[in-house]
Amino acid sequence: EAQVTQNPRYLITVTGKKLTVTCSQNMNHEYMSWYRQDPGLGLRQIYYSMNVEVTDKGDVPEGYKVSRKEKRNFPLILESPSPNQTSLYFCASSKGGTGPNQPQHFGDGTRLSIL
Amino acid sequence: QQQVKQSPQSLIVQKGGISIINCAYENTAFDYFPWYQQFPGKGPALLIAIRPDVSEKKEGRFTISFNKSAKQFSLHIMDSQPGDSATYFCAAKVELTGGGNKLTFGTGTQLKVEL
Repeated sequence: EAQVTQNPRYLITVTGKKLTVTCSQNMNHEYMSWYRQDPGLGLRQIYYSMNVEVTDKGDVPEGYKVSRKEKRNFPLILESPSPNQTSLYFCASSKGGTGPNQPQHFGDGTRLSIL
Repeated sequence: QQQVKQSPQSLIVQKGGISIINCAYENTAFDYFPWYQQFPGKGPALLIAIRPDVSEKKEGRFTISFNKSAKQFSLHIMDSQPGDSATYFCAAKVELTGGGNKLTFGTGTQLKVEL
């Protein structure tokens, strides 16, 4: 089954404790992206990757890091989490980009609470 | 700033009625406009999309109307059903200088269809 898998699905942690949210896709997609979803703000892009070893900032990259060492994986790293990073996070992947015939396939989300 | 403005924030429609969600944009470089549907506990999924050289696209009960001169587009759900209750996001794609492309999402509309 084609899917994007995020782990963990839920996490409660404390300020400053480094954490990683993993994202893996089994569709051989080149393009992967991280979004955060906040009430009233919709989905905002954090980082994206056009292919292995190619990453770039989205609209809200501050406080986050990513890496793309393999095509299937795109982890999101919070080196020193802060309460304003409490949010619902989504990983997405697609073949090549975000245009026609390139629908974004989203994971089911990771709800992070940082106390 | 919000590049894609979406309204209303929430919407209640009676079963069998028409649901209408509106989006407006300023950036004339946007060249592809998808709508995503999100059920609780799930990631968004592509519902329907339109290119700006087309004024309307229909897929089953879902129709996008696009007004290029007004820089507005809307989603119409005909014969709305309780199973359509979800959050809907409009989005717009732009090509990036230096290569690649990205989606900018609206703030979302929570639709509830009542019996």
